[in-house]
Amino acid sequence: EAQVTQNPRYLITVTGKKLTVTCSQNMNHEYMSWYRQDPGLGLRQIYYSMNVEVTDKGDVPEGYKVSRKEKRNFPLILESPSPNQTSLYFCASRPVGQETQYFGPGTRLLVL
Amino acid sequence: KQEVTQIPAALSVPEGENLVLNCSFTDSAIYNLQWFRQDPGKGLTSLLLIQSSQREQTSGRLNASLDKSSGRSTLYIAASQPGDSATYLCAALSSNSGYSTLTFGKGTMLLVSP
Repeated sequence: EAQVTQNPRYLITVTGKKLTVTCSQNMNHEYMSWYRQDPGLGLRQIYYSMNVEVTDKGDVPEGYKVSRKEKRNFPLILESPSPNQTSLYFCASRPVGQETQYFGPGTRLLVL
Repeated sequence: KQEVTQIPAALSVPEGENLVLNCSFTDSAIYNLQWFRQDPGKGLTSLLLIQSSQREQTSGRLNASLDKSSGRSTLYIAASQPGDSATYLCAALSSNSGYSTLTFGKGTMLLVSP
């Protein structure tokens, strides 16, 4: 089944404790991206990647890192999480070109 | 920079009504316009995608139209059902410094009561 998977789905952590949210897709898509969704602000793009070893900042990249060492994986790294990073995070992928985007199920993060 | 606005923010209707959700975008140079559905606490499901050269797309009881010149899209839901209750998001795919970026509206929360 074609899908985007994220892990973990739920995470509670404390300020400053490094964490990684994994994202994997099995559709051989070149393009992958991370979004955060907050009440009243909608979905905002954090980082995106056009292909392996090609990443770029989205609208709200501060406090986040990403890597794209393999085509299928695009982990989101929070080196020193802060409470303002409490949010619902979505990973997405699509093939290069103007096609629909496939979203993962989301990761709900709470930073205390 | 592309900005996408959705009106209304919330809508409550009785079952069976036909309804229209509105989406507007500021930069008409889009590649496509997509409508998504999001159930509470869940991910996004793509409903319809309209390419920039198209005027509308239909899927079952859903019909989406696109007017690039006026920067507007509408999602028409016929004969609404309680199962249609969800948040509907529109998103415009447009160019951003040589790459294509998907910009989302904040969504319309729809409640269809039996």
